[in-house]
Amino acid sequence: GALVYQYPRRTICKSGTSMRMECQAVGFQATSVAWYRQSPQKTFELIALSTVNSAIKYEQNFTQEKFPISHPNLSFSSMTVLNAYLEDRGLYLCGARRGGQDTQYFGPGTRLLVL
Amino acid sequence: GDSVTQTEGLVTLTKGLPVMLNCTYQTTYSPFLFWYVQHLNEAPKLLLKSSTDNKRTEHQGFYATLHKSSSSFHLQKSSVQLSDSALYFCALRYYKLTFGTGTSLLVDP
Repeated sequence: GALVYQYPRRTICKSGTSMRMECQAVGFQATSVAWYRQSPQKTFELIALSTVNSAIKYEQNFTQEKFPISHPNLSFSSMTVLNAYLEDRGLYLCGARRGGQDTQYFGPGTRLLVL
Repeated sequence: GDSVTQTEGLVTLTKGLPVMLNCTYQTTYSPFLFWYVQHLNEAPKLLLKSSTDNKRTEHQGFYATLHKSSSSFHLQKSSVQLSDSALYFCALRYYKLTFGTGTSLLVDP
């Protein structure tokens, strides 16, 4: 079956510092990976969509300068939160999708706490 | 742009009763709707999906029918269980999901 792992599961960083999170698809090739943030109030925001052989597309209010993403192969993606501040806290979810299929499989998320 | 509306923030029910969680959407694309369920401290998991008008889709006792005429994809279950207590999200499109704000379902014994 399709599994998605995310690492770390939880992290705490000081305000103004950066942290990197990883997403690994196991058992399938993730031709697209979407990064979301779920706020403490549980609402979702799409940060960016990374599709193989296409440029990474960031949503409004999110930039590559703040959330650089790497998607070097069909099983791995990473995202860094640069200069994290209080408003960046939340659960960062990666949704991986196989080519030609319509379902995103979510990892367990990386919970970011900023002090 | 796309949008998904879930009108109920919290639904509280007694075990064994039926439930309907509302979901309406707006999109300029051909609609593809999903219901995800998120239990405490877990990732969202796919519950149902559909892109076919007026066809009921079912999974784990839950069912929903996409109605393009009313832009709706309401989630229903005829008899809720304690284990159904969770957050339920309706979402639109598949490669770039737009989520509703979610409905918390609490089932009492």
